[in-house]
Amino acid sequence: GEDVEQSLFLSVREGDSSVINCTYTDSSSTYLYWYKQEPGAGLQLLTYIFSNMDMKQDQRLTVLLNKKDKHLSLRIADTQTGDSAIYFCAEYPPGTYKYIFGTGTRLKVLA
Amino acid sequence: NAGVTQTPKFQVLKTGQSMTLQCAQDMNHNSMYWYRQDPGMGLRLIYYSASEGTTDKGEVPNGYNVSRLNKREFSLRLESAAPSQTSVYFCASSSTALELAPNYGYTFGSGTRLTVV
Repeated sequence: GEDVEQSLFLSVREGDSSVINCTYTDSSSTYLYWYKQEPGAGLQLLTYIFSNMDMKQDQRLTVLLNKKDKHLSLRIADTQTGDSAIYFCAEYPPGTYKYIFGTGTRLKVLA
Repeated sequence: NAGVTQTPKFQVLKTGQSMTLQCAQDMNHNSMYWYRQDPGMGLRLIYYSASEGTTDKGEVPNGYNVSRLNKREFSLRLESAAPSQTSVYFCASSSTALELAPNYGYTFGSGTRLTVV
């Protein structure tokens, strides 16, 4: 079946780095995505990475891709309380017109 | 503000009742989607419409029907609600297949929280 796996919870202290991991399934996925869901809201696109890249950096966010192991990670530097949310990774198999979302990781930032 | 609008935001139904969840987008997007979100299960696709005039089943279509009324609107209907359909429902839209515009992603509505008792 199609399962994109993430750990359910992560707790970090304010100012520390957070690393959220994801294992995806479809090696043909051209793009891999990270979405953020704040309480009571829909998902918002955070960043994405093309499958021929190993790393992408965008301000405090760093995305690492290990295509051999089908492993994706999102690192948030200097984590703030406003980063508390659920983070979803998603793969997008070409030609399918739809995402496969992971289970989501709830990040809690402690002051 | 431009975006995806879902109504209602909250709803309580009795088992066996029917209802329609409404979704409208004003971004001239071609594709629209309905997801349900359940704890520990992430988002699961119910139905989608790649373009106006077409609809297709997703992972969990049983118990639901959809209508792509026009380019803007995509509704989700529960004909006979069951407690297993208690969930948060999200509508989303995208301008095109993401291979062509990967940086845009999907735009999501704020969700409808449905409880079936």
